[in-house]
Amino acid sequence: SAVISQKPSRDICQRGTSLTIQCQVDSQVTMMFWYRQQPGQSLTLIATANQGSEATYESGFVIDKFPISRPNLTFSTLTVSNMSPEDSSIYLCSVERARGGYGYTFGSGTRLTVV
Amino acid sequence: KNEVEQSPQNLTAQEGEFITINCSYSVGISALHWLQQHPGGGIVSLFMLSSGKKKHGRLIATINIQEKHSSLHITASHPRDSAVYICAAVTQGGSEKLVFGKGTKLTVNP
Repeated sequence: SAVISQKPSRDICQRGTSLTIQCQVDSQVTMMFWYRQQPGQSLTLIATANQGSEATYESGFVIDKFPISRPNLTFSTLTVSNMSPEDSSIYLCSVERARGGYGYTFGSGTRLTVV
Repeated sequence: KNEVEQSPQNLTAQEGEFITINCSYSVGISALHWLQQHPGGGIVSLFMLSSGKKKHGRLIATINIQEKHSSLHITASHPRDSAVYICAAVTQGGSEKLVFGKGTKLTVNP
Protein backbone atom coordinates (compact mmCIF):
# COMPACT_ATOMS: atom_id res chain seq x y z
CA SER A 1 0.00 0.00 0.00
CA ALA A 2 0.98 3.65 -0.35
CA VAL A 3 2.95 5.58 2.24
CA ILE A 4 1.89 9.12 3.09
CA SER A 5 4.19 11.60 4.80
CA GLN A 6 2.18 14.29 6.59
CA LYS A 7 3.74 17.38 8.16
CA PRO A 8 3.70 18.87 10.71
CA SER A 9 2.66 16.19 13.16
CA ARG A 10 1.49 18.78 15.66
CA ASP A 11 1.51 22.53 16.15
CA ILE A 12 0.32 25.14 18.58
CA CYS A 13 -0.74 28.33 16.83
CA GLN A 14 -1.95 31.76 17.79
CA ARG A 15 -5.47 32.74 16.83
CA GLY A 16 -5.66 34.77 13.65
CA THR A 17 -2.68 33.04 12.05
CA SER A 18 -2.64 30.37 9.33
CA LEU A 19 -1.08 26.91 9.17
CA THR A 20 -0.29 24.90 6.07
CA ILE A 21 -0.31 21.11 6.31
CA GLN A 22 1.51 19.05 3.71
CA CYS A 23 0.95 15.52 2.48
CA GLN A 24 3.40 13.69 0.23
CA VAL A 25 2.44 10.30 -1.24
CA ASP A 26 5.02 7.84 -2.49
CA SER A 27 2.94 7.02 -5.58
CA GLN A 28 0.74 8.92 -8.00
CA VAL A 29 -2.91 9.14 -7.00
CA THR A 30 -5.84 10.83 -8.67
CA MET A 31 -7.74 12.01 -5.61
CA MET A 32 -6.56 13.11 -2.21
CA PHE A 33 -8.93 13.70 0.67
CA TRP A 34 -8.63 16.07 3.62
CA TYR A 35 -10.43 15.31 6.88
CA ARG A 36 -10.97 17.07 10.19
CA GLN A 37 -11.52 15.28 13.48
CA GLN A 38 -12.71 17.57 16.22
CA PRO A 39 -12.26 16.39 19.81
CA GLY A 40 -14.59 13.50 20.59
CA GLN A 41 -16.08 13.55 17.10
CA SER A 42 -15.82 11.36 14.02
CA LEU A 43 -13.76 12.27 11.00
CA THR A 44 -15.44 14.71 8.67
CA LEU A 45 -14.47 15.20 5.05
CA ILE A 46 -13.37 18.76 4.33
CA ALA A 47 -12.65 18.49 0.62
CA THR A 48 -11.48 16.29 -2.21
CA ALA A 49 -8.43 17.48 -4.13
CA ASN A 50 -7.88 16.49 -7.75
CA GLN A 51 -4.73 17.42 -9.58
CA GLY A 52 -5.22 20.24 -12.04
CA SER A 53 -8.65 21.34 -10.86
CA GLU A 54 -10.27 23.17 -7.98
CA ALA A 55 -10.88 21.16 -4.86
CA THR A 56 -14.44 20.07 -4.14
CA TYR A 57 -15.57 21.22 -0.70
CA GLU A 58 -18.17 19.56 1.50
CA SER A 59 -21.06 21.42 3.04
CA GLY A 60 -19.86 23.66 5.84
CA PHE A 61 -16.34 24.10 4.48
CA VAL A 62 -15.22 26.94 2.21
CA ILE A 63 -12.15 27.64 0.15
CA ASP A 64 -11.36 30.93 1.90
CA LYS A 65 -11.03 29.14 5.22
CA PHE A 66 -9.40 25.92 3.97
CA PRO A 67 -7.53 26.63 0.72
CA ILE A 68 -6.08 23.51 -0.87
CA SER A 69 -3.33 23.09 -3.41
CA ARG A 70 -2.71 20.02 -5.56
CA PRO A 71 0.22 20.86 -7.82
CA ASN A 72 0.93 17.26 -8.90
CA LEU A 73 -0.24 13.67 -8.43
CA THR A 74 1.84 13.03 -5.30
CA PHE A 75 1.45 16.17 -3.20
CA SER A 76 -1.20 18.35 -1.62
CA THR A 77 -1.45 21.06 1.02
CA LEU A 78 -4.31 22.20 3.22
CA THR A 79 -4.17 25.63 4.84
CA VAL A 80 -6.22 26.46 7.91
CA SER A 81 -6.67 30.22 7.66
CA ASN A 82 -7.38 32.89 10.25
CA MET A 83 -7.48 30.26 12.97
CA SER A 84 -9.65 30.34 16.05
CA PRO A 85 -9.72 27.92 19.00
CA GLU A 86 -12.63 26.10 17.30
CA ASP A 87 -10.17 24.97 14.62
CA SER A 88 -8.29 22.89 17.18
CA SER A 89 -8.57 19.40 15.70
CA ILE A 90 -6.68 16.58 14.10
CA TYR A 91 -6.36 17.04 10.36
CA LEU A 92 -5.68 14.03 8.15
CA CYS A 93 -5.07 13.46 4.48
CA SER A 94 -6.00 10.26 2.74
CA VAL A 95 -5.73 8.62 -0.65
CA GLU A 96 -7.70 5.85 -2.26
CA ARG A 97 -6.55 2.86 -4.30
CA ALA A 98 -2.91 3.87 -4.37
CA ARG A 99 -0.49 1.59 -6.18
CA GLY A 100 -3.44 -0.07 -7.88
CA GLY A 101 -4.64 -1.53 -4.60
CA TYR A 102 -7.90 -1.25 -2.73
CA GLY A 103 -9.00 0.76 0.22
CA TYR A 104 -7.74 3.93 1.79
CA THR A 105 -4.38 5.00 3.17
CA PHE A 106 -4.20 7.76 5.75
CA GLY A 107 -1.52 10.20 6.75
CA SER A 108 -0.15 10.30 10.27
CA GLY A 109 -2.30 13.30 11.18
CA THR A 110 -1.64 16.86 12.29
CA ARG A 111 -2.76 17.71 15.81
CA LEU A 112 -3.51 21.43 15.80
CA THR A 113 -4.10 23.49 18.92
CA VAL A 114 -5.11 27.12 18.54
CA VAL A 115 -4.58 29.35 21.56
CA LYS B 1 -28.85 9.52 14.55
CA ASN B 2 -25.44 9.00 12.96
CA GLU B 3 -25.28 6.87 9.85
CA VAL B 4 -22.54 4.78 11.46
CA GLU B 5 -22.81 3.87 15.12
CA GLN B 6 -20.17 2.14 17.19
CA SER B 7 -20.35 0.49 20.58
CA PRO B 8 -19.02 0.68 23.12
CA GLN B 9 -17.54 4.18 23.14
CA ASN B 10 -14.94 3.17 25.70
CA LEU B 11 -13.67 -0.26 26.59
CA THR B 12 -11.18 -1.29 29.26
CA ALA B 13 -9.86 -4.84 29.32
CA GLN B 14 -7.21 -6.90 31.04
CA GLU B 15 -4.38 -8.31 29.00
CA GLY B 16 -5.38 -11.60 27.42
CA GLU B 17 -9.10 -10.87 27.22
CA PHE B 18 -11.17 -11.33 24.08
CA ILE B 19 -12.39 -7.98 22.76
CA THR B 20 -15.41 -7.23 20.58
CA ILE B 21 -16.23 -3.85 19.07
CA ASN B 22 -19.48 -3.41 17.19
CA CYS B 23 -20.48 -1.22 14.27
CA SER B 24 -23.98 -0.69 12.86
CA TYR B 25 -24.80 1.39 9.82
CA SER B 26 -27.98 2.67 8.27
CA VAL B 27 -26.80 3.50 4.75
CA GLY B 28 -26.23 1.29 1.73
CA ILE B 29 -22.57 0.44 1.51
CA SER B 30 -20.17 -1.10 -0.94
CA ALA B 31 -17.57 -1.87 1.73
CA LEU B 32 -16.70 -1.23 5.33
CA HIS B 33 -13.33 -0.36 6.83
CA TRP B 34 -11.93 -0.96 10.27
CA LEU B 35 -9.27 1.57 11.19
CA GLN B 36 -6.92 1.96 14.13
CA GLN B 37 -6.04 5.45 15.33
CA HIS B 38 -2.98 5.98 17.48
CA PRO B 39 -2.69 8.66 20.19
CA GLY B 40 -0.81 10.98 17.83
CA GLY B 41 -3.76 10.93 15.44
CA GLY B 42 -2.38 8.76 12.65
CA ILE B 43 -4.70 6.12 11.22
CA VAL B 44 -3.87 2.65 9.99
CA SER B 45 -6.28 0.63 7.89
CA LEU B 46 -6.85 -2.81 9.43
CA PHE B 47 -9.49 -4.34 7.18
CA MET B 48 -11.72 -3.61 4.25
CA LEU B 49 -14.77 -5.88 4.10
CA SER B 50 -17.65 -6.29 1.72
CA SER B 51 -18.86 -9.66 2.98
CA GLY B 52 -18.03 -12.48 5.35
CA LYS B 53 -14.99 -12.52 7.54
CA LYS B 54 -11.32 -11.57 7.45
CA LYS B 55 -8.51 -12.48 9.82
CA HIS B 56 -5.10 -10.94 10.31
CA GLY B 57 -3.07 -12.20 13.20
CA ARG B 58 -5.09 -11.70 16.38
CA LEU B 59 -7.63 -9.49 14.63
CA ILE B 60 -10.85 -10.78 13.10
CA ALA B 61 -13.46 -8.68 11.31
CA THR B 62 -16.90 -9.86 10.30
CA ILE B 63 -19.74 -8.23 8.45
CA ASN B 64 -23.41 -9.14 8.02
CA ILE B 65 -24.77 -7.17 5.08
CA GLN B 66 -28.40 -8.12 5.72
CA GLU B 67 -28.25 -6.94 9.33
CA LYS B 68 -26.02 -3.94 8.48
CA HIS B 69 -23.63 -4.86 11.23
CA SER B 70 -19.93 -5.49 11.56
CA SER B 71 -17.72 -6.57 14.43
CA LEU B 72 -14.02 -6.34 15.14
CA HIS B 73 -12.60 -8.96 17.48
CA ILE B 74 -9.21 -8.99 19.14
CA THR B 75 -8.07 -12.28 20.62
CA ALA B 76 -5.52 -12.45 23.45
CA SER B 77 -5.51 -8.67 23.82
CA HIS B 78 -2.27 -6.89 24.67
CA PRO B 79 -1.51 -3.38 26.01
CA ARG B 80 -0.10 -2.45 22.60
CA ASP B 81 -3.63 -2.92 21.21
CA SER B 82 -4.68 0.18 23.15
CA ALA B 83 -5.93 2.65 20.55
CA VAL B 84 -9.11 4.07 19.09
CA TYR B 85 -10.82 1.73 16.64
CA ILE B 86 -12.99 3.32 13.98
CA CYS B 87 -15.36 1.76 11.51
CA ALA B 88 -16.00 3.61 8.26
CA ALA B 89 -18.63 2.78 5.68
CA VAL B 90 -18.05 3.34 1.98
CA THR B 91 -21.41 4.60 0.77
CA GLN B 92 -22.98 3.36 -2.44
CA GLY B 93 -24.04 5.67 -5.18
CA GLY B 94 -22.58 7.98 -7.74
CA SER B 95 -19.85 9.37 -5.52
CA GLU B 96 -18.52 6.97 -2.94
CA LYS B 97 -17.71 8.55 0.38
CA LEU B 98 -16.41 7.35 3.70
CA VAL B 99 -18.79 7.82 6.63
CA PHE B 100 -17.05 7.35 9.94
CA GLY B 101 -18.18 6.16 13.33
CA LYS B 102 -17.01 8.09 16.37
CA GLY B 103 -14.62 5.37 17.38
CA THR B 104 -14.15 3.03 20.32
CA LYS B 105 -11.35 3.85 22.71
CA LEU B 106 -9.77 0.59 23.87
CA THR B 107 -7.45 0.42 26.84
CA VAL B 108 -5.79 -2.89 27.63
CA ASN B 109 -4.19 -3.03 31.04
CA PRO B 110 -1.27 -5.33 31.80
